[in-house]
Amino acid sequence: GQSLEQPSEVTAVEGAIVQINCTYQTSGFYGLSWYQQHDGGAPTFLSYNALDGLEETGRFSSFLSRSDSYGYLLLQELQMKDSASYFCAVRPGNTGKLIFGQGTTLQVKP
Amino acid sequence: ETGVTQSPTHLIKTRGQQVTLRCSSQSGHNTVSWYQQALGQGPQFIFQYYREEENGRGNFPPRFSGLQFPNYSSELNVNALELDDSALYLCASSWASGTDTQYFGPGTRLTVL
Repeated sequence: GQSLEQPSEVTAVEGAIVQINCTYQTSGFYGLSWYQQHDGGAPTFLSYNALDGLEETGRFSSFLSRSDSYGYLLLQELQMKDSASYFCAVRPGNTGKLIFGQGTTLQVKP
Repeated sequence: ETGVTQSPTHLIKTRGQQVTLRCSSQSGHNTVSWYQQALGQGPQFIFQYYREEENGRGNFPPRFSGLQFPNYSSELNVNALELDDSALYLCASSWASGTDTQYFGPGTRLTVL
């Protein structure tokens, strides 16, 4: 089967940098995605890594290492609005089935 | 805003009843996936519809069924509701069946009493 593990909570201060890790056990997948979900809201796509390495999108960067079964989301210059839950997800087949981690709740403090 | 809409926003049902949830996909998208999200958990894949055909199913019993219409909107039907069906039901649309980039609607909060 497939499973993804993330820390349940992370706390950081405004302006800081925070890294949210995702380790996985899966036999194969197309890539690692990250989604953001504010409380009561819809998950929103943030980033996708098909290949190993770093992908940068503004203040957000995502990293994947298939050999280490590991990825992370890096958020820079944290803002209060970044307080949300962050999910890593993999797509194991050629359908749109995404398998999500349990999510990491990020709390940004002033 | 993703352009994906869902109705109703909230719903309260009793055990044993049946429910239909609706989703309108983003313009230009031909694929809709449905997910169940329990409180404090990640979304769990129920099934996907691509061009009106079921295209992949998660570990959910047959009382969870769906439909996709020619305009690519979709319905999720749940029969014989159980207490554990209480959750946020999310639909996500995409421009193709095999893509990691999915656009989620705001969800329907279902409470089963």
